[in-house]
Amino acid sequence: NAGVTQTPKFRILKIGQSMTLQCTQDMNHNYMYWYRQDPGMGLKLIYYSVGAGITDKGEVPNGYNVSRSTTEDFPLRLELAAPSQTSVYFCASSRLRQGQNTGELFFGEGSRLTVL
Amino acid sequence: EDQVTQSPEALRLQEGESSSLNCSYTVSGLRGLFWYRQDPGKGPEFLFTLYSAGEEKEKERLKATLTKKESFLHITAPKPEDSATYLCAVRPDNAGNMLTFGGGTRLMVKP
Repeated sequence: NAGVTQTPKFRILKIGQSMTLQCTQDMNHNYMYWYRQDPGMGLKLIYYSVGAGITDKGEVPNGYNVSRSTTEDFPLRLELAAPSQTSVYFCASSRLRQGQNTGELFFGEGSRLTVL
Repeated sequence: EDQVTQSPEALRLQEGESSSLNCSYTVSGLRGLFWYRQDPGKGPEFLFTLYSAGEEKEKERLKATLTKKESFLHITAPKPEDSATYLCAVRPDNAGNMLTFGGGTRLMVKP
């Protein structure tokens, strides 16, 4: 199993450019998440999804958009990139146990984004 | 506001020198406390979930414990391969599917 796969691993953007971070998982997990990680700040939730067609905002959603058309894919869109979006982005998924979200996250390897 | 504070920020140990990492939390109600390990340049890897005070979980040289205000990750006779950043997260009652993460403890074990 590949688990959670993110692309690209590294990207440099200019201010005002847009891009999409791709995330796919092959574990048939219902829940998927996007986090950003800044040095010493812990992981912050950007958006999450409880299943295909359903998304919701996390703690820091401004400047981002998501969609969930399939169980496997959960892309994160950055519109009008700003230096404050320089960060490492992690996609994650979690499984259900007895119909409940376990909260146990499986993470991808991350996408390091720099906005100059 | 839900808060998670981990200490120390960094810890240097000699191989075989046991120690503990601390995770203090403030939440309205706890639906779970999670420990993750993160290696440089990688995503976090799930270690343990604890649900109630008094609960303990073990995996190799690691043991996680939980009280009503904090959790400890005890590392017994660590090896250099235990070097990593250890992250703690809580899932509050009123937060739905969101976890609140602490800033992590960077552990370095020297041979």
